[in-house]
Amino acid sequence: KQEVTQIPAALSVPEGENLVLNCSFTDSAIYNLQWFRQDPGKGLTSLLLIQSSQREQTSGRLNASLDKSSGRSTLYIAASQPGDSATYLCAVTEGNQFYFGTGTSLTVIP
Amino acid sequence: DAGITQSPRHKVTETGTPVTLRCHQTENHRYMYWYRQDPGHGLRLIHYSYGVKDTDKGEVSDGYSVSRSKTEDFLLTLESATSSQTSVYFCAISETGVNTEAFFGQGTRLTVV
Repeated sequence: KQEVTQIPAALSVPEGENLVLNCSFTDSAIYNLQWFRQDPGKGLTSLLLIQSSQREQTSGRLNASLDKSSGRSTLYIAASQPGDSATYLCAVTEGNQFYFGTGTSLTVIP
Repeated sequence: DAGITQSPRHKVTETGTPVTLRCHQTENHRYMYWYRQDPGHGLRLIHYSYGVKDTDKGEVSDGYSVSRSKTEDFLLTLESATSSQTSVYFCAISETGVNTEAFFGQGTRLTVV
């Protein structure tokens, strides 16, 4: 069974700092990997989708990389802002399912 | 935002009563999913549908049933609610399955007392 781990579970940084969130998975036979953002009491918002054949995707200040062979993905957030404060979740797809990590709770301090 | 509406958004019910949650989409996506989110467990798949009247179980399907009679609607039923089913339930859609981007609803907070 696919296991997805996100480290750290929580992160607090000052505004303007660049930061990296980590996601690891146990089975490399995935279709793709998706990063989501979740605000308190809200649903999940899709940030980036990386297909298994791709190495990275970029959207604005966000850059996600994927290394299937090592079972790792990173989400890089440049020049962090207080509005980036949220929980970030990664999910990998295998078979007919999305498998989620438990998330990294990010706080950006003004 | 993807057109996904979950109803109700909040519900409190008593142990042993049946409960139905509704997910409605306006995107005409083929795949629909029901997840539950619990502290320490992340999101876990309950059931999913790959077309009208086509459904399959996820990893935590015991005590739940689903139905999909129209492309736009996916219903999750708790036949006899238990306290362990207190959770936040999310509906998700994707166009052609797990190889395409998933979009989520706002969630339903269910409390079983």
